[in-house]
This record gives sequence, structure tokens and C-alpha cells, in this order.
Amino acid sequence: DTGVSQNPRHKITKRGQNVTFRCDPISEHNRLYWYRQTLGQGPEFLTYFQNEAQLEKSRLLSDRFSAERPKGSFSTLEIQRTEQGDSAMYLCASTVRNAGYGYTFGSGTRLTVV
Amino acid sequence: AQSVTQLDSQVPVFEEAPVELRCNYSSSVSVYLFWYVQYPNQGLQLLLKYLSGSTLVKGINGFEAEFNKSQTSFHLRKPSVHISDTAEYFCAVSDPTGGGNKLTFGTGTQLKVEL
Repeated sequence: DTGVSQNPRHKITKRGQNVTFRCDPISEHNRLYWYRQTLGQGPEFLTYFQNEAQLEKSRLLSDRFSAERPKGSFSTLEIQRTEQGDSAMYLCASTVRNAGYGYTFGSGTRLTVV
Repeated sequence: AQSVTQLDSQVPVFEEAPVELRCNYSSSVSVYLFWYVQYPNQGLQLLLKYLSGSTLVKGINGFEAEFNKSQTSFHLRKPSVHISDTAEYFCAVSDPTGGGNKLTFGTGTQLKVEL
């Protein structure tokens, strides 16, 4: 068990560019979640997968955001045409079956849009 | 819809003193409750959770929390804090009956332990 891995740790991009983040969950965890955390706030739910199926998306996830989890393993979160308001920490978490088992979070990807 | 309120944004405390971090939640259904800790530039780590049963739950690092249904609270306590407890603490709620069990977090409480 190597934990939840997120890459990159930091990303600085210019406004209007596209960025992609990767999350590798714990291998036996079938649920994977993406959250966004801005300064001084708690994490906010973006979307979650059960295996390869994306089952729910928050209204925070505009059409510029897309997430995938091919084959139910790693997941990617892409942001197109980044805006300064996208600057945040993007957290990935995984769990077995449901949150009652407790999430394991990755260390996050900090995005700065300049 | 569920919500979590952490009224204290910052709590300063001296080392070896007791501490209580307050959390109130709002939900129309039964809930799962959690406390997570976040150290600088790191992800969140689960401290403890309440699913059902005993209202007093014990977690890692000497922390405990008590579920109070009538007051819709889930306050976190530690009888004697250490410098290493300095971190951000988040209370979270989840609906066990549906919605993918996603967590709704509070805005966090920064615990600062001083010598």
C-alpha cells in the first residue's frame, strides 16, 4: 500500500492553457474522488468514480473540466482554457466502497494560473 | 443538503493544555461524521470517524470526539496537546444513504500550539 499518489505536486500555467492532473489511488480502492480546496476553505467535492464509471459531478465542475478513470485504475482531471479562478489545490481521494471506511487522500496538486 | 460549521477559524493553545475544536452540522438524515487533519502542503489524514454506536469515538494521536445528536455537534478534544499537533483540522459529514458518500467539509480550524 503506497497510498494515493498525485502528480504533479505543483503546476504553474498561463491563463488560457490546458492542464491535466493525474491521481493513482490505492489499488484495491474502487471509489475515487476529486476535491478542490481554495485558501482558507475546506475541500469541495468535484466528482467521483466507482471503478471506471463517473457517477456524480458537482455544479462546480464547469464544462471546462473533465475527468476520466479508464479501466478503473488511475484518474485524470483536465482543465481547459484555465482561468485565474481555477487556482487551487486539487485533491484526490480513494476508498473502499464508501466514505464510511474513510478516505485516503493524496498530497494534492497545487495549481497556480497566472 | 448537508452543511458543516466550524465556528473557530483559529485556536491558539499552550503545549500540554487541553483543547476542544467545535463542529456543528446540519442534515435532515442520519449522518457519518469525520475529523481530518491537514499539515502544511499535505493532503488530509483521517483522525477519527463516527458511523453508529457509541457516541464517544477515539482516534489517532490521542484525539477523541463526541457525537451529540440533540445538539447536532461533533466536537474534537485532546486532553494535552503537543507542538506537533499544530495543523488545520476539518470536520466533515457524509450521508450514508446515498449520494456516493461524498464528504461535505467545514471551513477548517487552525490549531496553533505554542510553547
